[in-house]
Amino acid sequence: KAGVTQTPRYLIKTRGQQVTLSCSPISGHRSVSWYQQTPGQGLQFLFEYFSETQRNKGNFPGRFSGRQFSNSRSEMNVSTLELGDSALYLCASSRAPQSYNEQFFGPGTRLTVL
Amino acid sequence: GIQVEQSPPDLILQEGANSTLRCNFSDSVNNLQWFHQNPWGQLINLFYIPSGTKQNGRLSATTVATERYSLLYISSSQTTDSGVYFCAAAQETSGSRLTFGEGTQLTVNP
Repeated sequence: KAGVTQTPRYLIKTRGQQVTLSCSPISGHRSVSWYQQTPGQGLQFLFEYFSETQRNKGNFPGRFSGRQFSNSRSEMNVSTLELGDSALYLCASSRAPQSYNEQFFGPGTRLTVL
Repeated sequence: GIQVEQSPPDLILQEGANSTLRCNFSDSVNNLQWFHQNPWGQLINLFYIPSGTKQNGRLSATTVATERYSLLYISSSQTTDSGVYFCAAAQETSGSRLTFGEGTQLTVNP
């Protein structure tokens, strides 16, 4: 069974631009979560989607948004990019949104903002 | 929310040595996972272990939920074990939201 896939793997943008990252969960998994990893802040939760609905949101500004499609694929968007948005963005999938479900991570998208 | 603390932050070993990584969490959990982050950044699942003991080859893990800690044991370490090990936990009320520890940077020297 294929794992979680994320595209693109690497991205370079300039301040003020916007970016869209994509995540396809493991087949049969319907819950998708997004995390940001930076050297200073570690791994931080962005948001969680299930059945095309955002169920949980971390402490990030409104520039960070996401959505989920009917096939469970998810996208996250960051508008008006700032230098501090440079990070590794990781997507995780699980069968369902209950906390006891094991989560599996994709390879990540490394975003650099110049 | 729940707090997750890992120790030690850094660990340097010689190949063949054994090690124990610790993860403390501040409240009851129903999800506790250990990950190894590979050099390209992907989090590789090692164990899903909200309670009890599991073993997978040279690695094993134990979670004592009543005392709010988990241990990851690496025996006969190899250079390929190097990297960052993360512990992450979730409470019943947190949905899929995992709270991560700061990680343990393991370096295994030949």
